Amino acid sequence: GAGVSQSPRYKVAKRGQDVALRCDPISGHVSLFWYQQALGQGPEFLTYFQNEAQLDKSGLPSDRFFAERPEGSVSTLKIQRTQQEDSAVYLCASSLLGRAYEQYFGPGTRLTVT
Amino acid sequence: SQQGEEDPQALSIQEGENATMNCSYKTSINNLQWYRQNSGRGLVHLILIRSNEREKHSGRLRVTLDTSKKSSSLLITASRAADTASYFCATSKGGTSYGKLTFGQGTILTVHP
Repeated sequence: GAGVSQSPRYKVAKRGQDVALRCDPISGHVSLFWYQQALGQGPEFLTYFQNEAQLDKSGLPSDRFFAERPEGSVSTLKIQRTQQEDSAVYLCASSLLGRAYEQYFGPGTRLTVT
Repeated sequence: SQQGEEDPQALSIQEGENATMNCSYKTSINNLQWYRQNSGRGLVHLILIRSNEREKHSGRLRVTLDTSKKSSSLLITASRAADTASYFCATSKGGTSYGKLTFGQGTILTVHP
């Protein structure tokens, strides 16, 4: 079946612009995760949803980062007033309820802030 | 901040050789996983080992876990050029951190044909 999809795959933003990154999880996956991966590093956790509830947002680096999942399926990660340090690959993952240790990752969105 | 460290940072071998990567972590864990990442593709889950397990096999992969040393190793036997990728270990702690994976910095493996 279809895996996790993300769009856009690449995004170039000028410093100060707002961006919105979309994630379509695997159908039936209740849990959804966002990670940020800087160049040459491993992914770092940003936030976690169970259905529409955001249960953990401890990894969001600043109040410029906001994530939502209003209907418990598609999720959007929004970054306001982008800065150069926001340049990274943003990965989305989903999992079945109760199997959050088994996450399926999308291809990521590569964000470049100029 | 990242939980673990992996070594080596880069590994270059010939096809047919074995590749061993190591991962160390800092806090107690529920389980540890290994992922592979090819350029342009997402992270692919390879194998999971629980904190009460010491060794696990899956095809050409062998994972060990030593919770007393807070370390794990991934062995890929009879490597192939297609194994060229970055490999990451990831830990999860359970409880309220149940969904949160903490990744190491990764090992870049290059397998020469």
